[in-house]
Amino acid sequence: GQNIDQPTEMTATEGAIVQINCTYQTSGFNGLFWYQQHAGEAPTFLSYNVLDGLEEKGRFSSFLSRSKGYSYLLLKELQMKDSASYLCAVRGGDYKLSFGAGTTVTVRA
Amino acid sequence: IAGITQAPTSQILAAGRRMTLRCTQDMRHNAMYWYRQDLGLGLRLIHYSNTAGTTGKGEVPDGYSVSRANTDDFPLTLASAVPSQTSVYFCASSERTSGANEQFFGPGTRLTVL
Repeated sequence: GQNIDQPTEMTATEGAIVQINCTYQTSGFNGLFWYQQHAGEAPTFLSYNVLDGLEEKGRFSSFLSRSKGYSYLLLKELQMKDSASYLCAVRGGDYKLSFGAGTTVTVRA
Repeated sequence: IAGITQAPTSQILAAGRRMTLRCTQDMRHNAMYWYRQDLGLGLRLIHYSNTAGTTGKGEVPDGYSVSRANTDDFPLTLASAVPSQTSVYFCASSERTSGANEQFFGPGTRLTVL
């Protein structure tokens, strides 16, 4: 089976930086995705990593280390609208996505 | 607007009743998926379809069935609903199952089984 761990909750101040860690143990690996989900809404795609290293997209960056089974999502210059749940998802050897339980980020003024 | 639609938005259902959740996409994506999302457990895959005419079982398929008669539609049927099937159900699609092909999610169906 797949095992994906991420913190349950994080709180940060507007304008700050927050790093959400994700560790995984999966049968095979074919990429790691990060999704954002606002309360009561559908998940929306943020980033994709398949090779080791950092992928940057504006205020959001995602990092992957395949040898360590580790990824993080970095949110810079936090805004109130960034308050949401962030889901780490790993595509295993069977090409199916397995999701972590999500990290709820609360941005305070 | 292109994307995925789901119906109904929400439903309260008596235990033992049959229910079909509808999902339609207009992006001509090959792959479609059904997930359930429960508090503290994250999204779990129920069934998937890599292409029209084929389906497969996910992590939690028991009590659910799907069909994929064409590219656009992927209905999920609960043959005899039970209270443990109370959840939020999301349909998703992707162009392919490999590469940097992210899944696009529908707005969800909130189902309560009493």
